[in-house]
Amino acid sequence: DQQVKQNSPSLSVQEGRISILNCDYTNSMFDYFLWYKKYPAEGPTFLISISSIKDKNEDGRFTVFLNKSAKHLSLHIVPSQPGDSAVYFCAAGPYGQNFVFGPGTRLSVLP
Amino acid sequence: DTAVSQTPKYLVTQMGNDKSIKCEQNLGHDTMYWYKQDSKKFLKIMFSYNNKELIINETVPNRFSPKSPDKAHLNLHINSLELGDSAVYFCASSQRGVTGELFFGEGSRLTVL
Repeated sequence: DQQVKQNSPSLSVQEGRISILNCDYTNSMFDYFLWYKKYPAEGPTFLISISSIKDKNEDGRFTVFLNKSAKHLSLHIVPSQPGDSAVYFCAAGPYGQNFVFGPGTRLSVLP
Repeated sequence: DTAVSQTPKYLVTQMGNDKSIKCEQNLGHDTMYWYKQDSKKFLKIMFSYNNKELIINETVPNRFSPKSPDKAHLNLHINSLELGDSAVYFCASSQRGVTGELFFGEGSRLTVL
């Protein structure tokens, strides 16, 4: 049973445009959410997080939005750059406990 | 200076063999983990180890055993390897009580023939 879902396995976006990656979760006990970015042959690297007390967190070009009632979060990248091409994993869990990862979305930013 | 390092990066072995993957972190974190990324690309937690507390994902076969000689190391031992064990194994660490972000190693790709 997938507790964290990323229903788009892949996404292609033109350079300079906005990339929107979506994530849904089913466990209402989850109150901390993270996005990780992974390049081939490397481990995932932390990108941005949000706790359930917020509905938005911004860090440079990256913004994460959380809709608790819908159990949905999204990562916005503006503007998208070719170096953003990677697999993005959404992760969720109760704060301070083990995180559950989604299957990832492969983002391709086209020059 | 690599924060979380794991060796070997690639491992090819025969069914039935026993193998180990080593992991070391120099971040001073108090919790370490092993994750498995299977053929469907899901990252699934296998173990978390916080000093004296080992938490095992119940779906992990007991052929897999973590061993922690000290706080900076968490090695993964696998006995009687099976074809289905082929995957990429990621070590990670975090500092619980803070934001808890995981810092991952580069992964070890295990291929069982």
